[in-house]
Amino acid sequence: GAVVSQHPSWVICKSGTSVKIECRSLDFQATTMFWYRQFPKQSLMLMATSNEGSKATYEQGVEKDKFLINHASLTLSTLTVTSAHPEDSSFYICSAIKTGERFEQYFGPGTRLTVT
Amino acid sequence: EDQVTQSPEALRLQEGESSSLNCSYTVSGLRGLFWYRQDPGKGPEFLFTLYSAGEEKEKERLKATLTKKESFLHITAPKPEDSATYLCAVPGNTGKLIFGQGTTLQVKP
Repeated sequence: GAVVSQHPSWVICKSGTSVKIECRSLDFQATTMFWYRQFPKQSLMLMATSNEGSKATYEQGVEKDKFLINHASLTLSTLTVTSAHPEDSSFYICSAIKTGERFEQYFGPGTRLTVT
Repeated sequence: EDQVTQSPEALRLQEGESSSLNCSYTVSGLRGLFWYRQDPGKGPEFLFTLYSAGEEKEKERLKATLTKKESFLHITAPKPEDSATYLCAVPGNTGKLIFGQGTTLQVKP
């Protein structure tokens, strides 16, 4: 199998606070994980690529100081949205590639963030 | 430029009415083509990987095929539970997945 989990599945936070989202590969090791954002009725937008033990690579236009990514182990990556604002409200999805494979990504169930 | 285009954007079928979804791609050196299913409010669920022209894969009522320029996802005798958005994606030169915009399938009983 190739199961990826995310926690929490949904979160509501107040403007100005920070929120952390966890992404775990449950039955495989993942050297590389990805974080996506998805707006209603749109396709996935890649935010950053996370490699275990190194700094994340952010896509153009994504604020690295606002979206902090940590990939501390082969099974866990975290995304912290700092000083959240209502415009950060979105559906955040992570994915993982099995260590040793190159391109096949397995996705988590997503986290719905609402900033009030 | 690497590109993935899916058609149609939306598809409505009656239960049992077979059809096909199209995914056209332009990429320098195919490193695989992936099909995913996404239900509302959930992450994409992996369906198939195709690597070379002529390859076919099947899962229940779904069959994916691949040519040098496009892939088809054939749905045979669909059921309402097949209703979802179907995404195809290819790895670009940097290895990042390039997604199509998806086809939203609705199967009516």
